[in-house]
Amino acid sequence: EVHLVESGGGLVQPGRSLRLSCSASGFAFGAYAVTWVRQAPGKGLEWVALIRGNAYSRTTEYAASVKGRFTISRDDSKSSAYLQMDSLKTEDTAVYYCVRGIPDVIGYFFDNWGQGTLVTVSS
Amino acid sequence: IVMTQSPATLSVSPGERATLSCRASQSIRSSLAWYQQEPGQAPRLLIYDASTRATDIPARFSGSGSGTEFTLTISSLQSEDFAIYYCQHYHNWPLSFGGGTKVESK
Repeated sequence: EVHLVESGGGLVQPGRSLRLSCSASGFAFGAYAVTWVRQAPGKGLEWVALIRGNAYSRTTEYAASVKGRFTISRDDSKSSAYLQMDSLKTEDTAVYYCVRGIPDVIGYFFDNWGQGTLVTVSS
Repeated sequence: IVMTQSPATLSVSPGERATLSCRASQSIRSSLAWYQQEPGQAPRLLIYDASTRATDIPARFSGSGSGTEFTLTISSLQSEDFAIYYCQHYHNWPLSFGGGTKVESK
């Protein structure tokens, strides 16, 4: 069974950094893309970042709202993915989901979701 | 690409049919997925490629459309179907979701 578990969320002050982790099991982790999707309290879903699998050289994509501040990475030997979040803003407050990505011609859809970890950016 | 869902809220009685719409600001061919999110839960993939049901999704869920207009139909609403539904395009970068349609009990 595919399983994704996020960790690392918490309360952080604006301008500070936080690193989220995603631990995966139940599938050949290196072959799949991993993405982070966030959801602000009471709001809809927002795609944040994606890292492709080893067949696609682990290349990355970012939403404009986080480009230059967030960095997605992966360690296939640990079946884990990460989201390094720097220069955090109050508007980054959200539940962050780690999700497995399935490729289409260009983009990806998302077939297995973790339960999410809450990040609160506040002074 | 901007994804627009309508209506924002849909009030339906159990056993009735629910029809949800999703519109893309430009053609996305059939690169569209639908997700269901129950309260307090992570989203779940329902439909991909506009009309293909994901694994273990009941047949009462069906998707249709291509280009810019898409529809998710729930043929006979069950109690567990009252939730928020999101569409997502994956035609190009950046990926994006619609704002969601909340299906509530009438």
